Amino acid sequence: QQQVKQSPQSLIVQKGGISIINCAYENTAFDYFPWYQQFPGKGPALLIAIRPDVSEKKEGRFTISFNKSAKQFSLHIMDSQPGDSATYFCAASFNDYKLSFGAGTTVTVRA
Amino acid sequence: DAGITQSPRYKITETGRQVTLMCHQTWSHSYMFWYRQDLGHGLRLIYYSAAADITDKGEVPDGYVVSRSKTENFPLTLESATRSQTSVYFCASSEAGPRGYTFGSGTRLTVV
Repeated sequence: QQQVKQSPQSLIVQKGGISIINCAYENTAFDYFPWYQQFPGKGPALLIAIRPDVSEKKEGRFTISFNKSAKQFSLHIMDSQPGDSATYFCAASFNDYKLSFGAGTTVTVRA
Repeated sequence: DAGITQSPRYKITETGRQVTLMCHQTWSHSYMFWYRQDLGHGLRLIYYSAAADITDKGEVPDGYVVSRSKTENFPLTLESATRSQTSVYFCASSEAGPRGYTFGSGTRLTVV
């Protein structure tokens, strides 16, 4: 079974709007939570990541919010741009090199 | 060129045939991984390797074989391809734990 559950499967947002993607996990041993961005025909690339001792991390227009008690974390894309149209994956890892990925969310930003 | 390269980019094979997907990295990273990407499942780990001659199973290893005789190469072999192995396969390498993953561009495999 998938260790990280991601929703929604897809979303459409207008240029300038906010995109929100949610992930939930069960394994409390997870200690690293990255988000990956993937464009068609390319491999995933690390976008932003957070550790569970931090509730929020912001890098430019991308913000991760982390709720340890609820075992949930989310990605917010502020001021969404057409160039942000991609598939986004959340992931989690615990004290090793292996990553468990969510199912992915396809984001489409309409101009 | 520095980086991680996968070959071929596209492959069509018949059911029952053996096929090998290649992965080569130029950084001498210790860790290498094979993931498959399927709609609705995200990326699932097939096999990984912590160093040359050290490999271990991931989440979905059945029907696959790996080897790692050299640090820079990590081939994935489908011994007898099945239609359920139609997928996009990604190789990745890392030297800095889960923070340091770099993925290749993928191999799209179709089994007919």
